Amino acid sequence: DIQMTQSPSSLSASVGDRVTITCRASQGIRNDLGWYQQKPGKAPKRLIYAASSLQSGVPSRFSGSGSGTEFTLTISSLQPEDFATYYCLQHNSYPLTFGQGTRLEIK
Amino acid sequence: QLQLQESGPGLVKPSETLSLTCTVSGGSISSSSYYWGWIRQPPGKGLEWIGSIYYSGSTYYNPSLKSRVTISVDTSKNQFSLKLSSVTAADTAVYYCARRNPSSSWYNWGQGTLVTVSS
Repeated sequence: DIQMTQSPSSLSASVGDRVTITCRASQGIRNDLGWYQQKPGKAPKRLIYAASSLQSGVPSRFSGSGSGTEFTLTISSLQPEDFATYYCLQHNSYPLTFGQGTRLEIK
Repeated sequence: QLQLQESGPGLVKPSETLSLTCTVSGGSISSSSYYWGWIRQPPGKGLEWIGSIYYSGSTYYNPSLKSRVTISVDTSKNQFSLKLSSVTAADTAVYYCARRNPSSSWYNWGQGTLVTVSS
C-alpha cells in the first residue's frame, strides 16, 4: 500500500497568511494526487486535481505542486472561509489512500 | 448536474450487514467510463476508501475490508450499493458515495449518511 504522510496535522494561522500543507507518498505516484477541503458536516470538496490543476470554480489563491513523492498545497492569502480540514488523496494504485488530514484553525 | 444521494438504515446491530444505496441523478451510471465508489469517515477521524466499481462491473476493494465488502450496480435503477458484513462499532462512520474518472480523483460526492453500529 502507498502511505500518504500529511503534515502538519494541525495549523493555526491568521487571515491573510500564506500557508503550505505537504503530502509525502511512500513511493512515486507521478501526479496522481488530489487535494480536498472539508468543512464540518459536509462532504469533501476537490480543490486540486492532477497535483497542480485548479478545479473549476476554486479561488486562485489555492495552488498545488509536486510530482513523484512530494506534494504541496498552498493557500496564498487565507480567507475566513478557508478554515477547514484539508486532505490529500493518491489514486495511482490500489488501495486508494488519503493523508491523515490537516486541520487549519484561526489564530 | 450530476447528483449522488446515499440512503439506508442509520442504525445497524453488531454482527449484522450494513447496506447502503447511492442513487445517481443527472447522468447514467452505465453510459460513461467512470468509477463509482464508497468512502467512509468515522466521527472525528479521517477519510478511508472502501471500494469502487467500474462502469464495466469490475470491482476494487480496500484489502483491510475486502473480506466483508461487496459493491454492486443496478443500472435499471441508476444506483450502486454497498454491503458490509459482520459490522462492529468500529464501522460507525459517515459513508459517502462518489464518482471519479479513471485518470483523476473523486470529484462528485454525495452528502454522506451516518451509520451507527450499536445494539
